[in-house]
Amino acid sequence: SQQGEEDPQALSIQEGENATMNCSYKTSINNLQWYRQNSGRGLVHLILIRSNEREKHSGRLRVTLDTSKKSSSLLITASRAADTASYFCATVFTMEYGNKLVFGAGTILRVKS
Amino acid sequence: DGGITQSPKYLFRKEGQNVTLSCEQNLNHDAMYWYRQDPGQGLRLIYYSQIVNDFQKGDIAEGYSVSREKKESFPLTVTSAQKNPTAFYLCASSKDSGTGIGYQPQHFGDGTRLSIL
Repeated sequence: SQQGEEDPQALSIQEGENATMNCSYKTSINNLQWYRQNSGRGLVHLILIRSNEREKHSGRLRVTLDTSKKSSSLLITASRAADTASYFCATVFTMEYGNKLVFGAGTILRVKS
Repeated sequence: DGGITQSPKYLFRKEGQNVTLSCEQNLNHDAMYWYRQDPGQGLRLIYYSQIVNDFQKGDIAEGYSVSREKKESFPLTVTSAQKNPTAFYLCASSKDSGTGIGYQPQHFGDGTRLSIL
């Protein structure tokens, strides 16, 4: 598969707890992106981390990147019910005629209040 | 506010019928994309366009067609040749241009859900 793979497939936590989602990929990358999708809606871009960066923060989100292990993690701290959504990682895959962004199958996060 | 508008939100297709999904953006982005999402799966690229009057096939282009006559618009036609069209279709755009795809975040519309009658 060309895709990144998220782990776990589903995660259920209590409000206030931290949620960690992982993404593994197969080829060398220029950057890795994380997106959120609420049920029945489009994807929303969260964070883009470049291959020369190891960690990036945005509010309650922290993304790490380990290029030696070809993996990334998304940490959501102090989760809220509104964080309930699917989370996708995406990496650039180079094709013969150009690049494309390849999405994993996602992690479904449920935050219980 | 700038963004991407997809219409209609729901669409039903009859046997042998072509249907067209609309996608308009006012973000002044060069690149636009169409993805298909099936339940519990990630997104699969159908077509993309980096510039007006030019577009490229993605992974699952068979049974679909697109046009890019204006920078703001990238309509997708699901033809009768697409035998399994039931899915959630997402349009996106990004600032990516001559440097290639994937270096900038993509902005998504809220999708069109297509079903067969």
